[in-house]
Amino acid sequence: GAVVSQHPSRVICKSGTSVKIECRSLDFQATTMFWYRQFPKKSLMLMATSNEGSKATYEQGVEKDKFLINHASLTLSTLTVTSAHPEDSSFYICSASPRTGGVTDTQYFGPGTRLTVL
Amino acid sequence: GESVGLHLPTLSVQEGDNSIINCAYSNSASDYFIWYKQESGKGPQFIIDIRSNMDKRQGQRVTVLLNKTVKHLSLQIAATQPGDSAVYFCAENMKGSNYKLTFGKGTLLTVNP
Repeated sequence: GAVVSQHPSRVICKSGTSVKIECRSLDFQATTMFWYRQFPKKSLMLMATSNEGSKATYEQGVEKDKFLINHASLTLSTLTVTSAHPEDSSFYICSASPRTGGVTDTQYFGPGTRLTVL
Repeated sequence: GESVGLHLPTLSVQEGDNSIINCAYSNSASDYFIWYKQESGKGPQFIIDIRSNMDKRQGQRVTVLLNKTVKHLSLQIAATQPGDSAVYFCAENMKGSNYKLTFGKGTLLTVNP
């Protein structure tokens, strides 16, 4: 159980285009999902918290107009990188927590999306 | 700066040996800790977790120890196998932080056959 999927796994795009990444919780509902960014040989950096039915909460230094997040349902969150540039090339990972009304903090991660902007 | 860090960035062990990966945290308000394993090109995989009201928790071949006095967390892997080779991250969650996790820098574990 607690499987999180991401699509696509890899994407290459031209500079100036927008790219959408989907994150799905396959066997549980997630009112909260998280989006991380990871550079090579580095740790995960939290970008934003995606809340179902409300606006995402962005971490300091993350541009909300550039990284658009939509939490459309209890099993789907999307991250759109708008007007992508080469410096946006990175490994983007989402996570979700199965929250059953109690305190369940374990986050399960998706397989990640490798974005390369040419 | 980061509140969670690791003592050793790399660890190399022989197959069959036990591995110990350490993590120091500085936020005394953290009440939940998780160890993740990340293989190259993949997302982090949950290994084991522990809450601040415990000092030890065991799983299959893995044990997590929590020492709140010195703010130290460790992951012990018994009979390490080549498939255990990966980067291991500790992560902490602070009570009331809306489940946000803060990750440590990671330790690369290499298992030699």
